[in-house]
Amino acid sequence: DTAVSQTPKYLVTQMGNDKSIKCEQNLGHDTMYWYKQDSKKFLKIMFSYNNKELIINETVPNRFSPKSPDKAHLNLHINSLELGDSAVYFCASSQAASSSGYEQFFGPGTRLTVL
Amino acid sequence: AQKVTQAQTEISVVEKEDVTLDCVYETRDTTYYLFWYKQPPSGELVFLIRRNSFDEQNEISGRYSWNFQKSTSSFNFTITASQVVDSAVYFCALPSNDYKLSFGAGTTVTVRA
Repeated sequence: DTAVSQTPKYLVTQMGNDKSIKCEQNLGHDTMYWYKQDSKKFLKIMFSYNNKELIINETVPNRFSPKSPDKAHLNLHINSLELGDSAVYFCASSQAASSSGYEQFFGPGTRLTVL
Repeated sequence: AQKVTQAQTEISVVEKEDVTLDCVYETRDTTYYLFWYKQPPSGELVFLIRRNSFDEQNEISGRYSWNFQKSTSSFNFTITASQVVDSAVYFCALPSNDYKLSFGAGTTVTVRA
């Protein structure tokens, strides 16, 4: 009964490849997020969807494209992978806005290594 | 703009020592929430606490306690009688708009046996 799950947990791939990371939450939350954590542990929001609508789209290369087929799923597709994309990617969800006190629940992370 | 500063990059203590993690924030909002998260070596991010800016009472949960001081824009976190299992990276966070959480850089706590 995992709350927020991500697959795969580890992803090792060559530069130039295209890859996807999948995320699912069973908490019934309306909002989902993608974060990137770099090697220095900095956590940065990338995207957020609320009820399948994109509400946060930070300055990330357009090689990154999120897709939300339904409220419970938010996938991240990355085209033409580069060395600098190596990081841990976290999916998260929340019941409502964090500005109203709702915490975000995080998945276990996907460690992406681009060779 | 909303900003969270965790000036301590790393803290190393011996088991049973107390450790305090500093969090200083900047916000233009008059009401806001603050959060603390823990990231153990296994990598997952675990929610610890949220605090509303209206409530300045200190919060205690077992060996964890939080000191929120609006006058100094600080929301510090103390682990009393630290244990090896407390070794983790701890993040303070502040919403920078409705849905966006701005995280501090994190403080790595190492508790040595």
